[in-house]
Amino acid sequence: DAKTTQPPSMDCAEGRAANLPCNHSTISGNEYVYWYRQIHSQGPQYIIHGLKNNETNEMASLIITEDRKSSTLILPHATLRDTAVYYCIVPTGTASKLTFGTGTRLQVTL
Amino acid sequence: NAGVTQTPKFRILKIGQSMTLQCAQDMNHNYMYWYRQDPGMGLKLIYYSVGAGITDKGEVPNGYNVSRSTTEDFPLRLELAAPSQTSVYFCASSLLSTGELFFGEGSRLTVL
Repeated sequence: DAKTTQPPSMDCAEGRAANLPCNHSTISGNEYVYWYRQIHSQGPQYIIHGLKNNETNEMASLIITEDRKSSTLILPHATLRDTAVYYCIVPTGTASKLTFGTGTRLQVTL
Repeated sequence: NAGVTQTPKFRILKIGQSMTLQCAQDMNHNYMYWYRQDPGMGLKLIYYSVGAGITDKGEVPNGYNVSRSTTEDFPLRLELAAPSQTSVYFCASSLLSTGELFFGEGSRLTVL
């Protein structure tokens, strides 16, 4: 998988937007960016993925820079339940072989 | 629709014992995966399958075996358990090679 770099931890106040950055400077033109999160010890949960256009769903928005070397996952109104480890993944080849790094631990506080 | 079901949730093994972690999905997904997660670490892919009868190795396959005789089931076999296999094991499935993976709740294995 293409290498991704994420900050190890971030804090966010409840009700504010959480902006989680990811660098993927070696990404190729046809590789997608995926975001998952893992709450406590549960199995990872898919959030969103995109290629080059910005994407939005009921959980989050994904902003990918024009050169595709970085992206930002935005949780528009973070709640305590959004406290989790967030993984940014750029799989090479088929997405059937996703590689999860250590991600960003987001702590949402009152 | 139960999604991905893993059993058992917890298990303690003695060194040298063998066991099978069960994984079943009821979403008719072609792709299934086994990951392990050590404390404080990310997930590492052990084996995956793109359909019944087809399996392939991931990053850390040593000490494990899999089979995929049906679309629904993807058991993971541990032979001669070692302390290094103490971990949380996650099974996942997806409909396509690209897109969303659905994960089970995990199986916590301790080898003493």
